[in-house]
Amino acid sequence: DIVMTQTPLSSPVTLGQPASISCRSSQSLVHSDGNTYLSWLQQRPGQPPRLLIYKISNRFSGVPDRFSGSGAGTDFTLKISRVEAEDVGVYYCMQATQFPRTFGGGTKVEIK
Amino acid sequence: EVQLVETGGGLIQPGGSLRLSCAASGFTVSSNYMSWVRQAPGKGLEWVSVIYSGGSTYYADSVKGRFTISRDNSKNTLYLQMNSLRAEDTAVYYCARDGNFDIWGQGTMVTVSS
Repeated sequence: DIVMTQTPLSSPVTLGQPASISCRSSQSLVHSDGNTYLSWLQQRPGQPPRLLIYKISNRFSGVPDRFSGSGAGTDFTLKISRVEAEDVGVYYCMQATQFPRTFGGGTKVEIK
Repeated sequence: EVQLVETGGGLIQPGGSLRLSCAASGFTVSSNYMSWVRQAPGKGLEWVSVIYSGGSTYYADSVKGRFTISRDNSKNTLYLQMNSLRAEDTAVYYCARDGNFDIWGQGTMVTVSS
């Protein structure tokens, strides 16, 4: 199974300041079709997960442009350029390149 | 509107069975890969199972042989039949469109307890 390792576990951020979350996979996420199925999900308290970024860097419909994804191979990053109050929640990276699909352990973003 | 709505959760005794449903609207279940993902209380996300558009199915080792994923094309609905339930199956169960995981339901809670 592909292990997804996220850091940090928790990220206290001042409103308006940037935040960055790293995700490392135990093996390459490049699929045989050439795509890299690495997504970032946001889960606000009491809500289901919501897709933010797919295939490393593609922002999903309706996602603010302060969210961006980057990386390649086994190392990926989610950046929030200026954290807003509505960004509080847990962020997960996940891979859908291989079965079983696997998720990172989550990073809790909170306001300082 | 594109959405998924799960139903069927509840309190069940260990060893019991439960069938979850996931009704889709705005897109066709049978034309997509569809997955079930669960989240134990206070824990992270765990993938459970997928059904391909062609009908192939895959399962997490933790549920293999106990859970069965299926769909009813006429009802545009995904199912998860859960047998031999254990306390560690207690979780919120989400259905989601696989691939980019761009569509998620609101979840249904399953509690396995005596």
